[in-house]
Amino acid sequence: EAGVVQSPRYKIIEKKQPVAFWCNPISGHNTLYWYRQNLGQGPELLIRYENEEAVDDSQLPKDRFSAERLKGVDSTLKIQPAELGDSAVYLCASGPRGYEQYFGPGTRLTVT
Amino acid sequence: GENVEQHPSTLSVQEGDSAVIKCTYSDSASNYFPWYKQELGKRPQLIIDIRSNVGEKKDQRIAVTLNKTAKHFSLHITETQPEDSAVYFCAASRGYSTLTFGKGTMLLVSP
Repeated sequence: EAGVVQSPRYKIIEKKQPVAFWCNPISGHNTLYWYRQNLGQGPELLIRYENEEAVDDSQLPKDRFSAERLKGVDSTLKIQPAELGDSAVYLCASGPRGYEQYFGPGTRLTVT
Repeated sequence: GENVEQHPSTLSVQEGDSAVIKCTYSDSASNYFPWYKQELGKRPQLIIDIRSNVGEKKDQRIAVTLNKTAKHFSLHITETQPEDSAVYFCAASRGYSTLTFGKGTMLLVSP
């Protein structure tokens, strides 16, 4: 079974530029999560989708972050404009309707 | 919201020794407690989980115990090997809701 796929794996941008991350979850997983992981910290949830509905976006900085999950499969997370403090690893995870979550390899974002 | 505290932040053991990592949680309604292993530069991997209807779960060299009354749970690794070296994260959630992660424990197993 293929795991969660994310792209790109690395991204370096200048502050104030836009950036987008893409995630393809494990086939059949209804729930999709976007996390941000700062160096030396645990993942922190940005948004959780059940199919195409965002059911928890309370930690998403909506002034600059947006996300979508069209057709309840792939998802895109966007930052516009990026700030220096956005440098982190952005992790996508998916799970069946239930408890388990399986993570993708992440996108390491560096904002200069 | 939920708050998860994890200790220690770093743990060094000799190969063959046991390692124990402890977590406490604040929300008494939390009922799902997974543990993830993250090697340097890689994705977090689910290694074991426990639900609140059981007190202990084992899988070969790893085990997790849960004390609902005290609101703490622990990861036990026996006969540690160098490949066990990684950062371990505990997490807690209430039902299908958001996982709250601890800050992680860096485990170093020396040959």
